[in-house]
Amino acid sequence: DIQMTQSPSTLSASVGDRVTITCRASQSISTWLAWYQQKPGKAPNLLIYRASSLERGVPSRFSGSGSGTEFNLTISSLQPDDFATYYCQQYNNYVITFAGGTKVEIK
Amino acid sequence: EVQLVESGGGLVQPGGSLRLSCAASGFTFSSLWMSWVRQAPGKGLEWVANIKQNGDEQYYVDSLKGRFIISRDNAKNSLFLQMNSLRAEDTAVYYCARMSLFRGAIDFWGPGTVVSVSS
Repeated sequence: DIQMTQSPSTLSASVGDRVTITCRASQSISTWLAWYQQKPGKAPNLLIYRASSLERGVPSRFSGSGSGTEFNLTISSLQPDDFATYYCQQYNNYVITFAGGTKVEIK
Repeated sequence: EVQLVESGGGLVQPGGSLRLSCAASGFTFSSLWMSWVRQAPGKGLEWVANIKQNGDEQYYVDSLKGRFIISRDNAKNSLFLQMNSLRAEDTAVYYCARMSLFRGAIDFWGPGTVVSVSS
């Protein structure tokens, strides 16, 4: 099974900061990597799919990069609405695995 | 408008069973893969299972194989999760979700239903 790890687990940042979260897969997943945002008490929301494609309606300050085993989610200028928990997820042969998540907190 | 609404959650004793349902609307349910994802209190997301459009293929997280069964009724636009031999560690919010194979991701989620396993 493919294992996913994310770093850091918690990130403290200020409004306007550029923020990067890293996700690693235990084996190559090409670009089958997605990113989600989740706020407390709510279902997750898809931000990025296939490593770098922005989901419709998601602000352009969110971007994804990477391939193979290492991926990044970058928020170019952190906004108040962006304080949340972010998860990466891999897809391989109809099976999904999530990483443990990164909580972005106000500094 | 796309909607997924879960039901069937609640309090169940260890060793018991529960069947979750998900009513789908606003899209062609029979054309898409569907999923269940769960989230234990204060923890991260855990994918549970996927089911193909016609229901003839199902995939599960290894740790739940044999206890949980995903199924669907395309005539009723409904997704189900039969949960057996429930344990305290199955306590979680269970999300019904729409899977996009093109995206390799879940592109729509229901609000979730809470399952609590306790004596």
